[in-house]
Amino acid sequence: QKEVEQNSGPLSVPEGAIASLNCTYSDRGSQSFFWYRQYSGKSPELIMFIYSNGDKEDGRFTAQLNKASQYVSLLIRDSQPSDSATYLCAVNGGGNKLVFGAGTILRVKS
Amino acid sequence: EAGVAQSPRYKIIEKRQSVAFWCNPISGHATLYWYQQILGQGPKLLIQFQNNGVVDDSQLPKDRFSAERLKGVDSTLKIQPAKLEDSAVYLCASSLRVDGNTEAFFGQGTRLTVV
Repeated sequence: QKEVEQNSGPLSVPEGAIASLNCTYSDRGSQSFFWYRQYSGKSPELIMFIYSNGDKEDGRFTAQLNKASQYVSLLIRDSQPSDSATYLCAVNGGGNKLVFGAGTILRVKS
Repeated sequence: EAGVAQSPRYKIIEKRQSVAFWCNPISGHATLYWYQQILGQGPKLLIQFQNNGVVDDSQLPKDRFSAERLKGVDSTLKIQPAKLEDSAVYLCASSLRVDGNTEAFFGQGTRLTVV
């Protein structure tokens, strides 16, 4: 079992819709969870982080964490074509080790 | 605040040659990561430093890859000899603390092509 799993996609949504990206992780001791966005040919940039169970909102982005189910998600409201990118889920377990999933490709169609 | 600096941006070498990459993390960041990202895949952790000590190098191919972080600041990653499958983007990232509740910031990466 991979440490961090994501559906590779592509996930296609129309402009203005809600995009839902999901991630599961294997290490129950994981402490913090991150979503990065990566445009083609660019390096990952941090969008959001979440440490506690529940929801965390930042503008159009909402991160959701359920530690009991070992599940973290990212919702993007009012999706825009500029949101088209690969979204990487990263999990920080013991020793500050940051492990990434393979990423989900998001395509927002205008 | 300056970001994570990496050089070179691009490198093309022949197989069996050697290559070195350099990374200067954000000032004051204790943790430094080197990742390898093959096209279409997520970043794979090669080595993690906290200050100048190695925390995790379990996925570093030690027969050909080496890394050091002298004085707990900048770091170099070396490949010798390179193989075709080493073609990838090598990403350096740093984070402020060592307790896990801190985000990591990435440099621009070095795109390596082995021919």
